[in-house]
Amino acid sequence: QVQLVESGGGVVQPGTSLRLSCAASGFTLSSYGMHWVRQAPGKGLEWVAVIWFDGSNKYYGDSVKGRFTVSRDNSKNTVSLQMNSLRAEDSALYYCARVGARYTGGWYRPLVVNYGMDVWGQGTTVTVSS
Amino acid sequence: QSVLTQPPSASGTPGQRVTISCSGSSSNIGINSVNWYQQLPGAAPKLLISNNNQRPSGVPDRFSGSKSGTSASLAISGLQSEDEADYYCAVWDDGLNGPVAFGGGTKLTVL
Repeated sequence: QVQLVESGGGVVQPGTSLRLSCAASGFTLSSYGMHWVRQAPGKGLEWVAVIWFDGSNKYYGDSVKGRFTVSRDNSKNTVSLQMNSLRAEDSALYYCARVGARYTGGWYRPLVVNYGMDVWGQGTTVTVSS
Repeated sequence: QSVLTQPPSASGTPGQRVTISCSGSSSNIGINSVNWYQQLPGAAPKLLISNNNQRPSGVPDRFSGSKSGTSASLAISGLQSEDEADYYCAVWDDGLNGPVAFGGGTKLTVL
């Protein structure tokens, strides 16, 4: 079945780095863009980053721009989020989520813009604390 | 502070119809499609409505979405106890804060 499994979370000190992974199964990852979304304890959803199906475009939220990097390896069915210079406010449950439409050709941007996130993982927890 | 404004709470009784609003601007809802997510307690979010008013497979037709100008709404008819959850609107924002914005979320209570 279609599934996303996040890993790599943990407890780290401020200023350090962490790399999250998202393993995809049950579908062709190379046809889908992927998002990262986070949720601090008791708070709402915050969008973090998106990467196009082929890695050609990447966008980031203002709060992580310049510190986080999203990447993908379609041959290994994985998407990653490299998080540097971590801060206490980065503590959250991190979800990866699939763009809600498969790329079949043409301009990709409308699919990402209009079709949301249709498959979500269960998340991995990141805690930044001294 | 989110660029999308949702009421923090909503409530209704079983069988009732409730609506949740999402207010944005000309750089987001005004030009792009709105998606809605349901998050049950302790669970990951689930896509409820995509592209303003499309229900993914498996989503009951009790849920519907609409958009007008720079605002959008999620309507739930025939309210059921299992609908008690947090609901979020989301949209691509072509403004300075972009590109994806979530509303602050609405906690729906079934009385």
